[in-house]
Parts: sequence; structure tokens; C-alpha cells
Amino acid sequence: AQRVTQPEKLLSVFKGAPVELKCNYSYSGSPELFWYVQYSRQRLQLLLRHISRESIKGFTADLNKGETSFHLKKPFAQEEDSAMYYCALSGITGGGNKLTFGTGTQLKVEL
Amino acid sequence: ETGVTQSPTHLIKTRGQQVTLRCSSQSGHNTVSWYQQALGQGPQFIFQYYREEENGRGNFPPRFSGLQFPNYSSELNVNALELDDSALYLCASSLTGVDTEAFFGQGTRLTVV
Repeated sequence: AQRVTQPEKLLSVFKGAPVELKCNYSYSGSPELFWYVQYSRQRLQLLLRHISRESIKGFTADLNKGETSFHLKKPFAQEEDSAMYYCALSGITGGGNKLTFGTGTQLKVEL
Repeated sequence: ETGVTQSPTHLIKTRGQQVTLRCSSQSGHNTVSWYQQALGQGPQFIFQYYREEENGRGNFPPRFSGLQFPNYSSELNVNALELDDSALYLCASSLTGVDTEAFFGQGTRLTVV
């Protein structure tokens, strides 16, 4: 069975401080991993996916298969980063991705 | 290009009733997935439709059923509603592929009383 664990429900940091949102997964094959974000009053949207290996809005995430982790990092938090962040995993079955989500981490960036 | 739209936005039903939720996929997307998001939880995969056929199902009972139409729009039907079915129901459309981006609708908030 596949599982995604986000241990922190709430993470509060000051503006300009580094951010790390933790995500660990359990999956028997080679997973595809994503970070989705939900800003206030907006719909859930993709932030980044590990296969793209890109930085979006200053965020990066590296897949560590040894530690089964996919932590989301940003060196300097901005006020507009305040949002709900979900780590998600997609299995290898055919068709579009079928996502298993973590419980989410609420990031609050304080001035 | 139009985004994913869901209707209605809010709904109140009585225990034991049946409900139908609707979703219009993003233009060009052939796959639609439905998720249930209980309060304080992440979205949980219900099932997926690809080219009008069910293409995977999560841990939900048969009273949760769905349809996908030739224009790729979709319905989620829930029979014999229970209080625990109260949640936000999200529809997501995508192209085929496990690494593709899922585009989410704004959700339908279902309250069962």
C-alpha cells in the first residue's frame, strides 16, 4: 500500500527564514512525487513534481529514495508563501495519475 | 482554455438520500479523477475515469459510483448517504500518464444531516 506522511500540521516561520516542509512516503515501486499547494480561497494546484527537477517560486524538492523522502525547501520565505502544502504520490498504473496525498502542512510566514 | 468546473458548490442532504455531483474537465483532458477531502485531511482518491471507463478505484464502497461522458465531463453519485460522507469532493482532470499534472476544480461541499 502507498502512503504519504507529512508530520507537521502547522509550520510557522519568519519572513526571510529558510523553510523545509517534510514529506516521507511508502511505496514498493518507483513513485512519482508531487507538491501541491492551496492558497487562501484558491483551488488546489501543482507546485512542482520531482520528474521536472525544477525550481518553482524559489521552492525545490529532491527525491531521496534511501530515506523515502521528498522534502520541500525554500531558502528565504516570503509572506506570499503562506498556504496549505500537500505532498502527493502517484503509482505506476496506467491512465492519468492517481494521487495519494498526505494530510498537509499549513505554512504561515510571519513578518 | 477553460478550467475544471464543479457543480453545485454546496449541497445539504439527509442521511439515506442519494446525491449527484458534476464536473466539467479542462479542455483537451481525457482523464478525470474524484477525491474526497474530509475536514483536516488530505484529498483521498475515490476513482478515476479514462475514455468513459473506470480506471482505478480507491478504498470506497460500491455506493460511490461514477460516469464519464463522451465530452469527458463526469458525475459522482453517492447512494444511501451516511453522516461520514460529509466532505469536500474534488474533481481533477488530466492527460494520460502517471507524472502528469492534475488540474483541480473548486470542489463541492457536501453536508449530510
